[in-house]
Amino acid sequence: DIQMTQTPSSMPASLGERVTISCRASQGISNYLNWYQQKPDGTIKPLIYYTSNLQSGVPSRFSGSGSGTDYSLTISSLEPEDFAMYYCQQYDSSPLTFGSGTKLEIK
Amino acid sequence: QVQLKESGPGLVQPSQTLSLTCTVSGLSLTSNSVSWIRQPPGKGLEWMGVIWSNGGTDYNSAIKSRLSISRDTSKSQVFLKMNSLQTEDTAMYFCASHITMMVIDWFAYWGQGTLVTVSS
Repeated sequence: DIQMTQTPSSMPASLGERVTISCRASQGISNYLNWYQQKPDGTIKPLIYYTSNLQSGVPSRFSGSGSGTDYSLTISSLEPEDFAMYYCQQYDSSPLTFGSGTKLEIK
Repeated sequence: QVQLKESGPGLVQPSQTLSLTCTVSGLSLTSNSVSWIRQPPGKGLEWMGVIWSNGGTDYNSAIKSRLSISRDTSKSQVFLKMNSLQTEDTAMYFCASHITMMVIDWFAYWGQGTLVTVSS
């Protein structure tokens, strides 16, 4: 199974700040990497697919990048609604696996 | 508008079988695959398995021996059955539909989840 290591596990940040969440795969995953946001009420929202493609309706302050084993999600300027959990997920091979999550908290 | 809604018993006794239903609207199960994903309280997401648009299935090897996913396309429903439940199977269970094309495959639509507690 491909292990996805997500860092940091939690991140205190301020409104307007630029933040980056990292996700490292245990082997190369050829950009087959997605990102999801989970709100405190449990609702899960897709953000980015195939490394860098924004889901329709996702604000342009979100961006994704990476290649090989290393990927990242960047939020250019934090808004109040961005404080949530974030998960990466690989689909290079079965079983599909998720990172352990990053909790973005208000500083 | 695509919607997925999970339903199930809420409470299951240890060693019993869990049966969940995912009712889908706004898309066709013969064109879209559906996965089950679970999340234990306070923990991360675990992919359980998928029923592909062609009716084939794939399961997480960690639980493959206990899991079965099926569907009724006429009712737009996907079913999960998992046997020999233990307390560690307590989790929120989500269904999610895929968008799959060429190099893309992701969970584009999610249900709200249904909480299953395994307890006597």
